[in-house]
Amino acid sequence: GAGVSQSPSNKVTEKGKDVELRCDPISGHTALYWYRQRLGQGLEFLIYFQGNSAPDKSGLPSDRFSAERTGESVSTLTIQRTQQEDSAVYLCASSLKYDQPQHFGDGTRLSIL
Amino acid sequence: QKEVEQDPGPLSVPEGAIVSLNCTYSNSAFQYFMWYRQYSRKGPELLMYTYSSGNKEDGRFTAQVDKSSKYISLFIRDSQPSDSATYLCAIADTGNQFYFGTGTSLTVIP
Repeated sequence: GAGVSQSPSNKVTEKGKDVELRCDPISGHTALYWYRQRLGQGLEFLIYFQGNSAPDKSGLPSDRFSAERTGESVSTLTIQRTQQEDSAVYLCASSLKYDQPQHFGDGTRLSIL
Repeated sequence: QKEVEQDPGPLSVPEGAIVSLNCTYSNSAFQYFMWYRQYSRKGPELLMYTYSSGNKEDGRFTAQVDKSSKYISLFIRDSQPSDSATYLCAIADTGNQFYFGTGTSLTVIP
């Protein structure tokens, strides 16, 4: 069965470049979440989608971060003008609806040189 | 005060031991309780989900919730080397707010 799929699995880029991370949720899951996980640390909430609207963007760390979602399908997280502190694993999760357990992808490991 | 606190460990046990992992939380409004297992370079995998006080068992895993003490536990019986991973607790309210612990690193030594 198809789980949450994230691409690319690894991304290395130079400081100042823009990056786009993609998440394909489990089919039928209306809720979608993005998290950041720095090495040895817990999950840092970034943004939550219900359908294609984002009622909670409170975790986005700066205006360099943005995200969108097409219907109840693919989501992209974009980081503009990347900085070294953006280096982390970016995890996407989806759930049937907002109060159901989240199912995670394996993340995108982002390294900023 | 953080919404959920989890001892980061690391925890190292011999194969076959009973493992106890714990989290405390601050808000009595939280109603949903989960445990995730995360292997290195993988995403968290849902192990247990419960919304009531008491115990829930699944094979070698037992999740325990004590709402009066705002304390949740995960017990692993007959621990195996394949159980070596980081375990994260997660709690949620009736809205969309999920709070994750920082994870406890577990190593089971053969």
